Amino acid sequence: DGGITQSPKYLFRKEGQNVTLSCEQNLNHDAMYWYRQDPGQGLRLIYYSQIVNDFQKGDIAEGYSVSREKKESFPLTVTSAQKNPTAFYLCASTRLTSGNTIYFGEGSWLTVV
Amino acid sequence: ELKVEQNPLFLSMQEGKNYTIYCNYSTTSDRLYWYRQDPGKSLESLFVLLSNGAVKQEGRLMASLDTKARLSTLHITAAVHDLSATYFCAVGPYGGATNKLIFGTGTLLAVQP
Repeated sequence: DGGITQSPKYLFRKEGQNVTLSCEQNLNHDAMYWYRQDPGQGLRLIYYSQIVNDFQKGDIAEGYSVSREKKESFPLTVTSAQKNPTAFYLCASTRLTSGNTIYFGEGSWLTVV
Repeated sequence: ELKVEQNPLFLSMQEGKNYTIYCNYSTTSDRLYWYRQDPGKSLESLFVLLSNGAVKQEGRLMASLDTKARLSTLHITAAVHDLSATYFCAVGPYGGATNKLIFGTGTLLAVQP
């Protein structure tokens, strides 16, 4: 089945450690996005990518890094520089034609312990 | 800077009643999305609205867009318990080729039997 797969679903990290969240899509979508959601809040854009080997910062990129080496993959690294990383992380993708539905993965819960 | 506001933030309603959720945005946009999120889950796409006066309906939910007023509404008809969830609107900056979205803070809907 086509879709967006995020892993792991739950992750615990010690302070000072980097962690990488995986996002893979088999929808042949051009654009991919990472959003962060805090409890009771809306979503905020971290990074996005429209084509392979290119990506742009969103509104809250500090403390995060991404890569887009393949069209279907857009991993997010939460670095130790991110001061408050505990959150729900959502990956999304879409075709670049304006107005297309943007689909979301199931999300990854990251907790810093 | 594009800002998106939803109201109410919390809505408790009885089964069988009608109500409307409002989504206001601050700058010109040519696309507006409505999503549903169940607790601890990802976002499910409900509607994509692309033009002034657009109206879409699915079951007990109907969404409309007034681009001149920068306002979208999500109307709930004869609510049932299964509609209990958080509803988000999201807006894309006008002419944006990236399909970036700015999300509202969400409306938590609780339908009481």
